[in-house]
Amino acid sequence: DVKVTQSSRYLVKRTGEKVFLECVQDMDHENMFWYRQDPGLGLRLIYFSYDVKMKEKGDIPEGYSVSREKKERFSLILESASTNQTSMYLCASNPGQTYSGNTIYFGEGSWLTVV
Amino acid sequence: SQKIEQNSEALNIQEGKTATLTCNYTNYSPAYLQWYRQDPGRGPVFLLLIRENEKEKRKERLKVTFDTTLKQSLFHITASQPADSATYLCARGGNTPLVFGKGTRLSVIA
Repeated sequence: DVKVTQSSRYLVKRTGEKVFLECVQDMDHENMFWYRQDPGLGLRLIYFSYDVKMKEKGDIPEGYSVSREKKERFSLILESASTNQTSMYLCASNPGQTYSGNTIYFGEGSWLTVV
Repeated sequence: SQKIEQNSEALNIQEGKTATLTCNYTNYSPAYLQWYRQDPGRGPVFLLLIRENEKEKRKERLKVTFDTTLKQSLFHITASQPADSATYLCARGGNTPLVFGKGTRLSVIA
C-alpha cells in the first residue's frame, strides 16, 4: 500500500513563527502536492513538485514556500505564520508523467492552529 | 479558470436507497474526473476515475457517469449503508494538477 506520511498531526504555533510541515511518501512517486482544506472553500492547491528540486505554484502560494531536496520528501514552509493560515494541510503524491491521470494518494493531514 | 462544482453541500438519505451526487464542470471537458471519499479528520481516499471517452464506470456498489453534453458527472451509491456516510469529493484533471470541488457531505440514516 502507498503510504504518505505527514510528520505532525496537530500543531499550535504563534503568529510570526516559522513553521515546517514535513511529508514523506514511500512509493517513489514523481509528483507531490500540498493542499489546504478549509470549511466552505474545499481543497486548494498551494504548491506542487514534479521532480527533485522542482516546484510550481498552485492557486494560493502566498505566504508559503516548499522544499524538495529528496524525491520522497516534500516540505511546506510558512515563513511567518499568521492566523489566517490556521487550516488543515494535506500532502499528496502520485506517479507518472501526468498529474491527474493517476490516482492521487493523500496523507492524513496536519491540523495547524496559529494563535 | 477550470472550475468544478458540487452543488449540494449536504445530502441525507435513508439506508437502502440509492444516493446520487452531482458534479458539474465549466469550460472544456476535462480528460478525467475522479471521485474521492473523505472521512472526518482524515485525508481523501480515491474511489473511481472516469475518462472523457467513457460513459460509465462501476465498482461494487458505486457507479459514476460522465456526460460531456451536460458537463456533468453523477456518482451513485446503491443500497446505501450508514458506513457510506462521509464527504465525497469530485476532481477534474488533464495535464495540470487536480482541481477539487468543495465536496458533498452524505449522511445515510438507518
